[in-house]
Amino acid sequence: AQSVTQLGSHVSVSEGALVLLRCNYSSSVPPYLFWYVQYPNQGLQLLLKYTTGATLVKGINGFEAEFKKSETSFHLTKPSAHMSDAAEYFCAVSDPGGTSYGKLTFGQGTILTVHP
Amino acid sequence: DTAVSQTPKYLVTQMGNDKSIKCEQNLGHDTMYWYKQDSKKFLKIMFSYNNKELIINETVPNRFSPKSPDKAHLNLHINSLELGDSAVYFCASSQSSGVHEQYFGPGTRLTVT
Repeated sequence: AQSVTQLGSHVSVSEGALVLLRCNYSSSVPPYLFWYVQYPNQGLQLLLKYTTGATLVKGINGFEAEFKKSETSFHLTKPSAHMSDAAEYFCAVSDPGGTSYGKLTFGQGTILTVHP
Repeated sequence: DTAVSQTPKYLVTQMGNDKSIKCEQNLGHDTMYWYKQDSKKFLKIMFSYNNKELIINETVPNRFSPKSPDKAHLNLHINSLELGDSAVYFCASSQSSGVHEQYFGPGTRLTVT
């Protein structure tokens, strides 16, 4: 069974500071990995994904994440936080195998607060 | 154009009632999903349909019955609503091939009183 752990349910940064949201996963096979963002009272929007190939993936809004197999991690970063980045962020994994049918297993979410 | 839409956005009802939530996608995807987000914001898959066929059913009470009349629609009917059913329900869709990158609807906030 797959699982996802997001370290830190709340992260607070100053505007312009580095954003680092941590995600570790457990999977018996190399998974597909995703980061989603949820703004208040909205649905989830895909920020970026890792499938195969280059381990550093870039997403929308200046975010990027690096897949580290040895650490079973997929941390999300952004060099300079903007007020509009304030939201909840979810890390998710899926099994590339055919029997999973794309089922996503989510972490518990990290609320990012950006203060002036 | 809305890619994945859900109706209604808010649903307030009393215990014991039966209610439905509708989902439609115009992305041409062949797979659709229902997720439940509880009060702690934890997201968990409930069902998935591929080409109108149920392919994932995650130990959900049988009071919940999904129905997919065609590939573009996936509805969720809930019988005998309980307080614990209060949550936000998200519909999502994807292609069945490749990465199954999922696109989510705006959610339906169900409140059972």
